[in-house]
Amino acid sequence: GDSVTQMEGPVTLSEEAFLTINCTYTATGYPSLFWYVQYPGEGLQLLLKATKADDKGSNKGFEATYRKETTSFHLEKGSVQVSDSAVYFCALSGTLRTQGGSEKLVFGKGTKLTVNP
Amino acid sequence: DSGVTQTPKHLITATGQRVTLRCSPRSGDLSVYWYQQSLDQGLQFLIQYYNGEERAKGNILERFSAQQFPDLHSELNLSSLELGDSALYFCASSPRGRWETQYFGPGTRLLVL
Repeated sequence: GDSVTQMEGPVTLSEEAFLTINCTYTATGYPSLFWYVQYPGEGLQLLLKATKADDKGSNKGFEATYRKETTSFHLEKGSVQVSDSAVYFCALSGTLRTQGGSEKLVFGKGTKLTVNP
Repeated sequence: DSGVTQTPKHLITATGQRVTLRCSPRSGDLSVYWYQQSLDQGLQFLIQYYNGEERAKGNILERFSAQQFPDLHSELNLSSLELGDSALYFCASSPRGRWETQYFGPGTRLLVL
């Protein structure tokens, strides 16, 4: 079945460092890909998404490119801030539509990022 | 603040018991989703309701059930609780059942002793 694998954390960086969080997926068909972020004590928020190959999603300085040839959707940011400390989840929308047209969302296990001043 | 509310924030109970978690979606959202987040299983989709009807089912145990009421709030019922049910339970909502526009609540942390 569909699955998402993301790099295990935790990841600790200094402020203004470059961030990469790797994400690869397995899916039949052509899923949409997402990055969600979970700040301490809060629910998940959609950070960015890409719906087809070679699309680049971007938001708040983060970006990720949908690479079909390598089945990857790595998250990058050029200069992280302390406020970026959170858990980041890579996810894909299932390629098998359930009854009624809803698509199952599959998440990776999450990568905890800590940014030190 | 996503606009999705969940109660209670924390719940401590014993094995074998039954609990009910409540979720109020954002104003106007018709779809509600339930997720379970645990250390070993990660974030797992449980079930989705759309305008009062079950729309999609994920890895939900038979001991668990949910419903969505006419005012669109939803309840997740967990029964015959086991230690392994201890987790963070999230509710999310979206306007028309489109997965990419889900808005998550802050979660209910359940501890089964």
